[in-house]
Amino acid sequence: EAGVVQSPRYKIIEKKQPVAFWCNPISGHNTLYWYRQNLGQGPELLIRYENEEAVDDSQLPKDRFSAERLKGVDSTLKIQPAELGDSAVYLCASSPAGDTQYFGPGTRLTVL
Amino acid sequence: ILNVEQSPQSLHVQEGDSTNFTCSFPSSNFYALHWYRWETAKSPEALFVMTLNGDEKKKGRISATLNTKEGYSYLYIKGSQPEDSATYLCAFYYYSGSARQLTFGSGTQLTVLP
Repeated sequence: EAGVVQSPRYKIIEKKQPVAFWCNPISGHNTLYWYRQNLGQGPELLIRYENEEAVDDSQLPKDRFSAERLKGVDSTLKIQPAELGDSAVYLCASSPAGDTQYFGPGTRLTVL
Repeated sequence: ILNVEQSPQSLHVQEGDSTNFTCSFPSSNFYALHWYRWETAKSPEALFVMTLNGDEKKKGRISATLNTKEGYSYLYIKGSQPEDSATYLCAFYYYSGSARQLTFGSGTQLTVLP
């Protein structure tokens, strides 16, 4: 069984530039999560999807962050414009029933 | 967002040593406690899902216990090996109204020295 796929694995951009991350969850997993992990901290939930519906986006900074999960499968997370403080690892995870999560390898974003 | 604390933040042990670390969480509105292992350059991997007070789970040399009344879980590693080097994260699932929410601890970074 293929795991959660994320791309790119690494991204370096200058501040004020846009950036997008892509996630392909495990087939059949209805729940999809986007997390941000800052150095020395645990993953912080940004948004959770049940199929194509965003059921928890309370921690998503909506002024610059957006996400979508068209057709309830793949998902993209976008930042526009990026700020220095957005440098972090962005993790995507999926789960079949909202419990045990299967994580992708993450995208390490560096904003210069 | 509730506070989940893990201690110690990091530790170094010698190969063959046994070690343990703690995840502390609020004792109210408990739903589940998960442990994950996150090796460098890899994806976080689920170790245990714990739901009942008094739960004890074991996978090889790694085991975990759960006390929901006092709000803590211990993770034990017996006879540590270099391949156990990783960050160990706990995730606290709790009820918030009718919904379930999730908060991760900041992790314990374990380094096993050969």
